[in-house]
Amino acid sequence: AQSVTQPDIHITVSEGASLELRCNYSYGATPYLFWYVQSPGQGLQLLLKYFSGDTLVQGIKGFEAEFKRSQSSFNLRKPSVHWSDAAEYFCAVGLYNFNKFYFGSGTKLNVKP
Amino acid sequence: EAQVTQNPRYLITVTGKKLTVTCSQNMNHEYMSWYRQDPGLGLRQIYYSMNVEVTDKGDVPEGYKVSRKEKRNFPLILESPSPNQTSLYFCASSSQGASTGELFFGEGSRLTVL
Repeated sequence: AQSVTQPDIHITVSEGASLELRCNYSYGATPYLFWYVQSPGQGLQLLLKYFSGDTLVQGIKGFEAEFKRSQSSFNLRKPSVHWSDAAEYFCAVGLYNFNKFYFGSGTKLNVKP
Repeated sequence: EAQVTQNPRYLITVTGKKLTVTCSQNMNHEYMSWYRQDPGLGLRQIYYSMNVEVTDKGDVPEGYKVSRKEKRNFPLILESPSPNQTSLYFCASSSQGASTGELFFGEGSRLTVL
């Protein structure tokens, strides 16, 4: 079955520490990959996306993600977390010319002062 | 300002009472879709529309209807709501012509069915 897995439900990091959020997918071919962020009470906002080419992609707010085909992973990273990064993060896969999207269950990030 | 607008933002209703959640976008996007967000399940796609009069089922379409009579509007209809449709609903749109895949989301509509 097609799926997007985010194994960490909650993560807490200290402000200024580095961050890595994990995402694995199970599809036959390389799908289009996305990371979205949801601030409390808001809709989702695109952080970054991977379609093809360079496997390390840069996004907004200092985030980056690395696609690893051999591990079917698309992990999100940030070298130094800010308190404003506290939010819920969703990994997503787009299929069939972006008609169908599958989201992971999300990772809630808390940032300690 | 480019945006996706959903109404109502909050609604409490009773089982069986038909309701419609409206969604409108001002970006001239061809593609629109509806999702429901439930704790621990992330977002699940209900229906999507590739253009006017073209709609298709997502992964959880049961109990929902949609229509796309105009490019900017994509209402979600619950003909006979049930408590298991209590959820947070998001509408999203995208410019597929650019093949960017980026979804622009509304702020969500929290629905409670008693």
